[in-house]
Amino acid sequence: QKEVEQDPGPLSVPEGAIVSLNCTYSNSAFQYFMWYRQYSRKGPELLMYTYSSGNKEDGRFTAQVDKSSKYISLFIRDSQPSDSATYLCAKEGNQFYFGTGTSLTVIP
Amino acid sequence: KAGVTQTPRYLIKTRGQQVTLSCSPISGHRSVSWYQQTPGQGLQFLFEYFSETQRNKGNFPGRFSGRQFSNSRSEMNVSTLELGDSALYLCASSSGAGLEEKLFFGSGTQLSVL
Repeated sequence: QKEVEQDPGPLSVPEGAIVSLNCTYSNSAFQYFMWYRQYSRKGPELLMYTYSSGNKEDGRFTAQVDKSSKYISLFIRDSQPSDSATYLCAKEGNQFYFGTGTSLTVIP
Repeated sequence: KAGVTQTPRYLIKTRGQQVTLSCSPISGHRSVSWYQQTPGQGLQFLFEYFSETQRNKGNFPGRFSGRQFSNSRSEMNVSTLELGDSALYLCASSSGAGLEEKLFFGSGTQLSVL
C-alpha cells in the first residue's frame, strides 16, 4: 500500500467554481502534510503546509486534514484559469511521500 | 534569493549511455534530494544528501548514484541508460534541519532515452 494515494483526475471546472482535491494516507506517524502546485514543464512549488487536524486558510486556498479518516484535502475557492495545473499532496515520513498528482483545468 | 537551479533542462541520450545531472540548491540549504517524475508513477524518491553524505535512499537500482560537494551542490549520475529512465528528474533543496521541512524544487531536467 502506498503511503499517499491521490485521485489523478483529470478535473475540469468552470471559472469561479469551488475545487476539492483529495488524498488519503496510510501511516499515521509523522503528521506533516503539504500541497504542491506544478505547472507544465516546471518543478512543483509549495502551496501550503499543515501539521494539525482541521483547516488552514491562505487566500483562496484551504488545506484540511482529517486524521480520523486519514484524509487530506485542498479546496480552491473562486477558481481561476491560472489555477490550471497539477496539484500534488505530500506527507512527511522517513522520506517525503508524494501523491501522483491531480490535473486541474479551470475553463474561462 | 535565488531558487534551485538544475542543469541541463533537456537531455537526449541513447540506451547504454550515461548521464550526469547537476543541481545547485538555495543558498544556505544543506540538503538536496532527487526525484524521478513520470506520468504513471508520479514523484519517486531517489536519494537525499546532507553535508556531502547520503542520508536516505529510495528503491532504485545501483545505476542511479549521486554525490554532494562541500558547497552543497549535487550531481546525479545514471549509468547504462534504459528506455524506462526517460523522465523528469527533479532536485529539491531544504535546510536539512529535520522534521517539518519545506522542500523547494528546481524546474527539473527532462531526460529522453532513445
